[in-house]
Amino acid sequence: GENVEQHPSTLSVQEGDSAVIKCTYSDSASNYFPWYKQELGKRPQLIIDIRSNVGEKKDQRIAVTLNKTAKHFSLHITETQPEDSAVYFCAAVWFTGTASKLTFGTGTRLQVTL
Amino acid sequence: EAQVTQNPRYLITVTGKKLTVTCSQNMNHEYMSWYRQDPGLGLRQIYYSMNVEVTDKGDVPEGYKVSRKEKRNFPLILESPSPNQTSLYFCASSLSRGGQSPLHFGNGTRLTVT
Repeated sequence: GENVEQHPSTLSVQEGDSAVIKCTYSDSASNYFPWYKQELGKRPQLIIDIRSNVGEKKDQRIAVTLNKTAKHFSLHITETQPEDSAVYFCAAVWFTGTASKLTFGTGTRLQVTL
Repeated sequence: EAQVTQNPRYLITVTGKKLTVTCSQNMNHEYMSWYRQDPGLGLRQIYYSMNVEVTDKGDVPEGYKVSRKEKRNFPLILESPSPNQTSLYFCASSLSRGGQSPLHFGNGTRLTVT
């Protein structure tokens, strides 16, 4: 089955610096890769996603890159701000038409310090 | 307002006492799913459903049941709860039948089994 590894588990950066979180997946059939942000006590919410036919996607300070050959994808946050402090989860999804597999990474706690 | 509604938010029960956590979405989404969140383990999928009357196991289905009699509702049933089911539970829905579009999460149910 699919296995998604996420690193690092915790990350501390200074405000204004960049943060990078990496995920690797095992099943080459996975073709949808979302990232979720979970603030303390809240539900996870999508921040960006990428499909397997795209190598990179950007949305303001957030970008995601995908390397299908190496089976890894990364979240990049530039010019970090205190409100970026949260837990971030990557996920990998495949769908055959009759079955689906959605697997999350174990999460990265990002702390942005002043 | 488009949303996923989960109830109750908090639940304390005793071992063996059957309980149901309700989940309802008003977005006409095809895909619905349940997750448990435990420290260090991230979000693990319990069950998912791609259509009415179609449900399938996720990664940690033991001890849980679900049903999808109507498109909008996807209750999670614990027939005989045990202390190892103490966790934070999230219901989520997605437009895409295979879960290959953003998940919309409910607010979570914190379950304690004593």
